[in-house]
Amino acid sequence: EDQVTQSPEALRLQEGESSSLNCSYTVSGLRGLFWYRQDPGKGPEFLFTLYSAGEEKEKERLKATLTKKESFLHITAPKPEDSATYLCAARSNDYKLSFGAGTTVTVRA
Amino acid sequence: GAGVSQSPRYKVAKRGQDVALRCDPISGHVSLFWYQQALGQGPEFLTYFQNEAQLDKSGLPSDRFFAERPEGSVSTLKIQRTQQEDSAVYLCASSFLGGRARETQYFGPGTRLLVL
Repeated sequence: EDQVTQSPEALRLQEGESSSLNCSYTVSGLRGLFWYRQDPGKGPEFLFTLYSAGEEKEKERLKATLTKKESFLHITAPKPEDSATYLCAARSNDYKLSFGAGTTVTVRA
Repeated sequence: GAGVSQSPRYKVAKRGQDVALRCDPISGHVSLFWYQQALGQGPEFLTYFQNEAQLDKSGLPSDRFFAERPEGSVSTLKIQRTQQEDSAVYLCASSFLGGRARETQYFGPGTRLLVL
């Protein structure tokens, strides 16, 4: 059974304090690693998809990387509007996503 | 449409009542998914449709849960004889094509169900 574990559960940052979120996965034949952002009371919002080890993608202050066992989401110089829960999900077949429990990031001004 | 929409956004039910949750996917999207998200957890897969065909219902927790998509667009998730453990956010997602590993799933805002 596919397993996805995210750490830490919660992260409190000062504005401008860079940090990284971890997503470790155990799947039989990874077909994609997805990152989503979820704000309170809303559905997950797509950020990135990574397909192979060594791949990196960037969007504004966010950068996602992938190894054979983990993915990292780096937040560079965060702002309060980056406060959210970040979810990662692994796909081992053509459609089903297996999600981690998420990391809740709070950025203080 | 501009995005996936779901209704109602909030639903309070008494234990034992039946509920129906609606999902309108992005126009033209072939694939539709339902997920259940408990408080403080990530979404968990319930079921998958490609057009009107339900190809995977392995995540439905019990036979009280039933999903349909009769015309290949709007979908309804029905829960019969609701129990307190059914309280969760029910998320719907859609993707443009079907059976493609590189497809992105786009999520709606969810329906928050509270069973008293």
